[in-house]
Amino acid sequence: AQSVTQLDSHVSVSEGTPVLLRCNYSSSYSPSLFWYVQHPNKGLQLLLKYTSAATLVKGINGFEAEFKKSETSFHLTKPSAHMSDAAEYFCVVSDPYGTSGSARQLTFGSGTQLTVLP
Amino acid sequence: ETGVTQTPRHLVMGMTNKKSLKCEQHLGHNAMYWYKQSAKKPLELMFVYSLEERVENNSVPSRFSPECPNSSHLFLHLHTLQPEDSALYLCASSQALVAGQPQHFGDGTRLSIL
Repeated sequence: AQSVTQLDSHVSVSEGTPVLLRCNYSSSYSPSLFWYVQHPNKGLQLLLKYTSAATLVKGINGFEAEFKKSETSFHLTKPSAHMSDAAEYFCVVSDPYGTSGSARQLTFGSGTQLTVLP
Repeated sequence: ETGVTQTPRHLVMGMTNKKSLKCEQHLGHNAMYWYKQSAKKPLELMFVYSLEERVENNSVPSRFSPECPNSSHLFLHLHTLQPEDSALYLCASSQALVAGQPQHFGDGTRLSIL
């Protein structure tokens, strides 16, 4: 079975400082991993995805994430936070070898609310 | 035109009303999903359709009834809802029902039950 844990429910950073949102996953095999962002009153937007190619994945809006199999982690980073980055972020895992319908679906973390202070 | 469009964006209904939520995707995808997003809870997958066939129903009460007339449209028919059904309902689509496919989301319908 697959699962994902977002280690922080809330993160606050000052504008212009680095962002680190932490995610650990559990999967039987090599998973596909995603980060999504949700702004208020909006749906989820795909930031980036890892699908067993390069372990450092670059996404939109300056975000990137590094897949570390030994640590079962997929942390999201950005060198310099912008006010527009304030939103909720979801780490998501998909197990590629699941045989049941549910195993082919996405498993969402509980989310990390990012606040950016001026 | 946005990829996944949901209407209405907001809906207030009484417990005895019947209403429907609509989702339309313009991405040429073959799989569509309904999710429920409640405050302080993880995203809950409700229904999954692949090529207009329902392939998953995650123990959702019968007061929620999905319909997928073609691969571009998905409906969620609502009747006799309860206050705990108040939530943001999100529709999503993916190219196929294959693990590792990212899903594209609409902006949701904010549902309030009086």
